[in-house]
Amino acid sequence: EAQVTQNPRYLITVTGKKLTVTCSQNMNHEYMSWYRQDPGLGLRQIYYSMNVEVTDKGDVPEGYKVSRKEKRNFPLILESPSPNQTSLYFCATRDRDWSSKNIQYFGAGTRLSVL
Amino acid sequence: QQPVQSPQAVILREGEDAVINCSSSKALYSVHWYRQKHGEAPIFLMILLKGGEQKGHDKISASFNEKKQQSSLYLTASQLSYSGTYFCGTGIIQGAQKLVFGQGTRLTINP
Repeated sequence: EAQVTQNPRYLITVTGKKLTVTCSQNMNHEYMSWYRQDPGLGLRQIYYSMNVEVTDKGDVPEGYKVSRKEKRNFPLILESPSPNQTSLYFCATRDRDWSSKNIQYFGAGTRLSVL
Repeated sequence: QQPVQSPQAVILREGEDAVINCSSSKALYSVHWYRQKHGEAPIFLMILLKGGEQKGHDKISASFNEKKQQSSLYLTASQLSYSGTYFCGTGIIQGAQKLVFGQGTRLTINP
């Protein structure tokens, strides 16, 4: 069964306290990405990765870091979280190339509150 | 750069039809449609690639007019299960790894 696993699902933290949201997939997909979702703004891409050790910025990368040391894992790191990073975060994964048959799978989401 | 979806929200009775539009200011290579139920992850519906194709999935279909930089999602004889927020995501070049999503269209189907 195709799975994209995010942890934790819910997190409340305080400003400045470093945190990591993990994402793991079991489909051997090369491409992984992180999105944040805010009311009225839809999904905005934070970072993406084409393969191990290959990452690039999306549209809203400020305040975030990522790493891709293994193909299956793509953690999102907030070195010094701020209240404007309070959001719903999704990890997504798919095969490398877009085609009519490629499906992008999303994780269940992580709801983060930064106080 | 974000594509514009219209309408922002629509309320229908079961069995009625709906059309959701997605317009971009940039030339598009691909358009992706997703549905999201409240509190859940977005679920992939379909992807349309440059070429003006129309695709269908059960009673949900979509068209892509690359000249107009627009895509439309058609839901016919809507079912209660169609309720949710629909997003279009756009890619501007072949192999583009960045997808830019619209703000979403909330669809409510009432019995």
